[in-house]
Amino acid sequence: AQKVTQAQTEISVVEKEDVTLDCVYETRDTTYYLFWYKQPPSGELVFLIRRNSFDEQNEISGRYSWNFQKSTSSFNFTITASQVVDSAVYFCALSAGGANNLFFGTGTRLTVIP
Amino acid sequence: EAGVAQSPRYKIIEKRQSVAFWCNPISGHATLYWYQQILGQGPKLLIQFQNNGVVDDSQLPKDRFSAERLKGVDSTLKIQPAKLEDSAVYLCASSSGQGLYGYTFGSGTRLTVV
Repeated sequence: AQKVTQAQTEISVVEKEDVTLDCVYETRDTTYYLFWYKQPPSGELVFLIRRNSFDEQNEISGRYSWNFQKSTSSFNFTITASQVVDSAVYFCALSAGGANNLFFGTGTRLTVIP
Repeated sequence: EAGVAQSPRYKIIEKRQSVAFWCNPISGHATLYWYQQILGQGPKLLIQFQNNGVVDDSQLPKDRFSAERLKGVDSTLKIQPAKLEDSAVYLCASSSGQGLYGYTFGSGTRLTVV
């Protein structure tokens, strides 16, 4: 069975602060994919990153960075120098077992205060 | 390229009424998904199509929900009769089916059952 846990329900930070969103996953499959999506108030899910289980390299994209650690089954997401436009709900998701669909966590609502 | 189109954007119905949602995926995407997102939760897969065939409908409440994808292009999701607990955002997504690349979500239909 697949499971994704996002323990932080809501986070508030002041603009320009750094913030890390936690994601812990569970799967018995050795091949799996991890994702982060952003859901702004408009409602659509915006793809941010996809990682496969064989690639533990951390990734940086502008102000965004991701830390994938198989030893702790975590795939954390850090926003550096947060901006008001980063305010949204962020979802971590898992696809495993050859299935081509996603198991989502419950999301973390990030509010960046100007 | 055009995104995943969904309509209507919002719908309010009374319990026991029926409702239908429409989705037009990205052109050429063979795989189409319907997700249900209840307020405060992550999206949950209802049904997955590959062309016009059902791949996974294990989470679809078949006593009241039905979906079809005639001709392997656009899709309709129907609820009949609706219950209060069906209030949610219904998200459609499509992918090219190649390892989850190009997995794109529509803006969703927000259903309120009163």
